This record gives sequence, structure tokens and C-alpha cells, in this order.
Amino acid sequence: AQTVTQSQPEMSVQEAETVTLSCTYDTSESDYYLFWYKQPPSRQMILVIRQEAYKQQNATENRFSVNFQKAAKSFSLKISDSQLGDAAMYFCAYRSADHNNDMRFGAGTRLTVKP
Amino acid sequence: ETGVTQTPRHLVMGMTNKKSLKCEQHLGHNAMYWYKQSAKKPLELMFVYNFKEQTENNSVPSRFSPECPNSSHLFLHLHTLQPEDSALYLCASSPILAGVSYGETQYFGPGTRLLVL
Repeated sequence: AQTVTQSQPEMSVQEAETVTLSCTYDTSESDYYLFWYKQPPSRQMILVIRQEAYKQQNATENRFSVNFQKAAKSFSLKISDSQLGDAAMYFCAYRSADHNNDMRFGAGTRLTVKP
Repeated sequence: ETGVTQTPRHLVMGMTNKKSLKCEQHLGHNAMYWYKQSAKKPLELMFVYNFKEQTENNSVPSRFSPECPNSSHLFLHLHTLQPEDSALYLCASSPILAGVSYGETQYFGPGTRLLVL
């Protein structure tokens, strides 16, 4: 079974600094998708960034970028120039490309941004 | 309204009650999902619907009964729930491109906070 592990329950970063959230996953599949979702205190989950496993190039979205290491099954999220609005729970997620109902989330990392 | 909406936002029910959660998406998507988010546990996928058809039930107890009358609406009917079913229930939707939705971004609703007494 595919599992997603976020080893950092909580992280803290100073405003304008950079922080990296870690995520590892376990899978025997070669084709899949990875996502980082953000859930602010208002609780509406929104996508931060996504990565297709067959693409070697790391996805980037403005201040957000990932370090995707397929062999190591690692998918970390880097947030540059952190802003107060980045404070939220961040969830790493895996979705199989073979099984429609197989989408798994990590337990989440709570990010605090200090002014 | 835009995006994905859910009603009610909060629900308290007894174990013998029957209630329904409603989800509506205004994004033109054809895939819809129900998730359960419990405290200190990863988000759990409960049900997936593609083009109104349930693809698979992720071993969810029968006291949870989904219904998808059309691609824009999704319901979760609840009956004889247990206190451990108390959680935040999230609905999401995504497009289906080239017949699949696997890699597509899911758009989430704000959730229904359910408390079972």
C-alpha cells in the first residue's frame, strides 16, 4: 500500500526567510502524481503545487518549488520569501495513475510564520 | 457562488439520527470526492465519482451512503453514526481530461464539521 510520510508535525519560519517541508512516500508504481495542498485556518484546502512523476524537472509556482527525488521517493516543498499568509497546514499527497480511488495524504505539517 | 460549496457547515447529530451532507461544485468538473478529516489522522478518501458513477468504495462503512445525481452535486447520507465518525467531511471536485482525473488538481469545499453525540 502506498503511504505518505511527513516527518515534521510543526515547522516555524521567519517572515521573508526560506523553509523546506519534507515528504516521503512509498510506492511500487512508476507512474503517479504528487501534490502539496495548503489548508489555512479557514479550512478550505487549496493546491500549492503538483508534480507528475514522469517529469524529471522540478515543479515551481512563484515562491513555491519542489525537490522531487524519484529514486529516493522524496518530494519536499520549499517556500521562499515566506509571508504571513503562508501560515497553514501543508499536506503532501500521492495519487496513483493506475487506480482512480488511490489518493493518499500525509498527516500534515503545521507551518508558523513569525513576523 | 463559485468553486465548491458544502452545506451545512456544522452539524450535530445523535447516533440514531439520519442526516445528509450536500456538496455542489460550480466549476464544470466531472469528478467528485468525499474525504474524512479526523484530528491527528491523515485525510482519508471515502468515495470517488466520475461522471456520476461511483468508481470504488474505499471500504467505508455502510452507515455512510453517497449519492451523485449529476456531475455538479454530491450528497453523503448519514445514518446510525458512531461518535468516532465525528470529523470534518470535505468534498472536492476535479476535471476529467482524456478520460482520467488522476493527475488533475482537486478543488475542495470548506467542509462540514460533524459531531456525533
